[in-house]
Amino acid sequence: AQSVTQLGSHVSVSEGALVLLRCNYSSSVPPYLFWYVQYPNQGLQLLLKYTTGATLVKGINGFEAEFKKSETSFHLTKPSAHMSDAAEYFCAVSRWGNQFYFGTGTSLTVIP
Amino acid sequence: GAGVSQTPSNKVTEKGKYVELRCDPISGHTALYWYRQSLGQGPEFLIYFQGTGAADDSGLPNDRFFAVRPEGSVSTLKIQRTERGDSAVYLCASSRNDRGDTEAFFGQGTRLTVV
Repeated sequence: AQSVTQLGSHVSVSEGALVLLRCNYSSSVPPYLFWYVQYPNQGLQLLLKYTTGATLVKGINGFEAEFKKSETSFHLTKPSAHMSDAAEYFCAVSRWGNQFYFGTGTSLTVIP
Repeated sequence: GAGVSQTPSNKVTEKGKYVELRCDPISGHTALYWYRQSLGQGPEFLIYFQGTGAADDSGLPNDRFFAVRPEGSVSTLKIQRTERGDSAVYLCASSRNDRGDTEAFFGQGTRLTVV
């Protein structure tokens, strides 16, 4: 069985501050991990993904995430928040021949 | 097309009516997924197709929901005897394959409102 837990349904940060969005997963086999972003009235867009190899993954718009198997985590970070980062962020897990399981999402607010 | 296209973008229907939601995936993508997203929630899996066949339909909530993909491209999600609880945004996604490590591209969704 697979599932995803996103801690914090709402996160607020000041412009220029560090962004940290938390994601923990449970999976019976090594998973593939994704972060998607959803801007208002738009579809989900891939930020980054981990499949194999380097555990620190860089994505678009300055975001990155680190796969930590020992902690079953895949937290999303960005060193300096920008106003345009305000959106809903979803962590997802999948594996071979299977569908994507999504977390409940974290709404990011950036305060000027 | 350039991306996943879903039609209509909005659908308002009366309780008890039948609705069809259409998804045009990216050309050449063999895997197609349907999700449902309620307000404040993450996408909830409904069904996915690999080619023409439903590889996993375990997320369909009951027998009022049905989906087809007869030619391995366009898919239609069909809901019979709609209920107010069916109101949600229905998302379609496609990917090159169903290996799991491949990005899924999402459409903008169909917002279904049952009144």
